[in-house]
Amino acid sequence: DTGVSQNPRHKITKRGQNVTFRCDPISEHNRLYWYRQTLGQGPEFLTYFQNEAQLEKSRLLSDRFSAERPKGSFSTLEIQRTEQGDSAMYLCASSSVLDENQPQHFGDGTRLSIL
Amino acid sequence: GENVEQHPSTLSVQEGDSAVIKCTYSDSASNYFPWYKQELGKGPQLIIDIRSNVGEKKDQRIAVTLNKTAKHFSLHITETQPEDSAVYFCAASMIQWGTYKYIFGTGTRLKVLA
Repeated sequence: DTGVSQNPRHKITKRGQNVTFRCDPISEHNRLYWYRQTLGQGPEFLTYFQNEAQLEKSRLLSDRFSAERPKGSFSTLEIQRTEQGDSAMYLCASSSVLDENQPQHFGDGTRLSIL
Repeated sequence: GENVEQHPSTLSVQEGDSAVIKCTYSDSASNYFPWYKQELGKGPQLIIDIRSNVGEKKDQRIAVTLNKTAKHFSLHITETQPEDSAVYFCAASMIQWGTYKYIFGTGTRLKVLA
């Protein structure tokens, strides 16, 4: 069990550019979640997948955001035409239906800074 | 939708003393309440959780209590150590029939003074 892995750990980009983050969940975890965390706040839910199906999207996930999990394993989160307000830590978590209570295990996040 | 309030926002205790962090939730359908510890530059780490059919759960120096009627739950850390210093988050969720997403509180920064 190597834990949830997120890449890159840090991303600095200019406003208007597109960025893509990757999340590798714990092996065989069928649920995968994306959250966003701004400074001094708790994580806020963005979206979640069960296998390759995206089952829920938050209102926070504007049209500029898209997430995929094409083979039910790793996931990508893309932000198009980045804005200053997108600066945040993007966290990925995974869980397994085989675990009691299916607790979510988080990665260390990708910190996005928009110049 | 669900809303989770967490208090206090900061908490300083002397090493060896106890620390208590409190959370309230709004949606009576929430049935699962995890607690996470987040250190600087790291993701949240699950430290303890509780289901709504249980009133209290303990794991060594950490315990969680739940009052379903009042819709609040608390984290208790006894015999605090400097390495307990971190930001702690509570969360509420609906599992088994819900969406499994977590609604987090705003966090408590715990400082354990040596």
